[in-house]
Amino acid sequence: QAVLTQPSSLSASPGASASLTCTLRSGINVGTFNIYWFQQKPGSPPQYLLRYNSDSNNQQGSGVPSRFSGSTDASANAGILLISGLQSDDEADYYCMIWRNSAWVFGGGTKLTVL
Amino acid sequence: EVQLVESGGGLVQPGGSLRLSCAASGFTVSNNDVSWVRQAPGKGLEWVSIIYSGGGTDYADSVKGRFTVSRDNSKNTVFLQMNSLRAEETAVYYCVRSVDYWGQGTLVTVSS
Repeated sequence: QAVLTQPSSLSASPGASASLTCTLRSGINVGTFNIYWFQQKPGSPPQYLLRYNSDSNNQQGSGVPSRFSGSTDASANAGILLISGLQSDDEADYYCMIWRNSAWVFGGGTKLTVL
Repeated sequence: EVQLVESGGGLVQPGGSLRLSCAASGFTVSNNDVSWVRQAPGKGLEWVSIIYSGGGTDYADSVKGRFTVSRDNSKNTVFLQMNSLRAEETAVYYCVRSVDYWGQGTLVTVSS
């Protein structure tokens, strides 16, 4: 079982909100990690969006709109990237990441379609 | 302005070697952690290696013993020496400052 699991795809309408999940493998507690989120558009490198551990321990990437926010769902053992007021420009691949055992671990990515 | 520019990619035969460079500007590599992350065509992100500000290094299990990360502080450049390359390591290789600044990447193709 992968350390981080993301749904492969998600669709949402312009103006709506999208909740992208990053589920940690059983036995790895979401509360003990910073969850990092990245956005990648075709032909471009990933862009750092934000880091989230808790409401009191989080960081927004430089220039990243407040429409992008992080949270966690302890019951699901998952990190969440919430994108509100979806725009067509938000269509991209989104990756979560944690730092674990002296290594970065990425989720498989979610392709977000805005239509 | 922070910039990272990768170079050194290209076509190499399986079992061959390649040395990637990551030239940094707008910050000092010796004061920052710099990682290498790769992305195979049409696939997700895979972390490869890191050189810490203190000079220590770590590697993904898949490359341990074959890849070596280093830096030249005088040139403000980080390197990734890749030996015994495999076809499945064909990918765009990115260097990353901390988590927040990524280079444009350099393509490594391992093929006969």
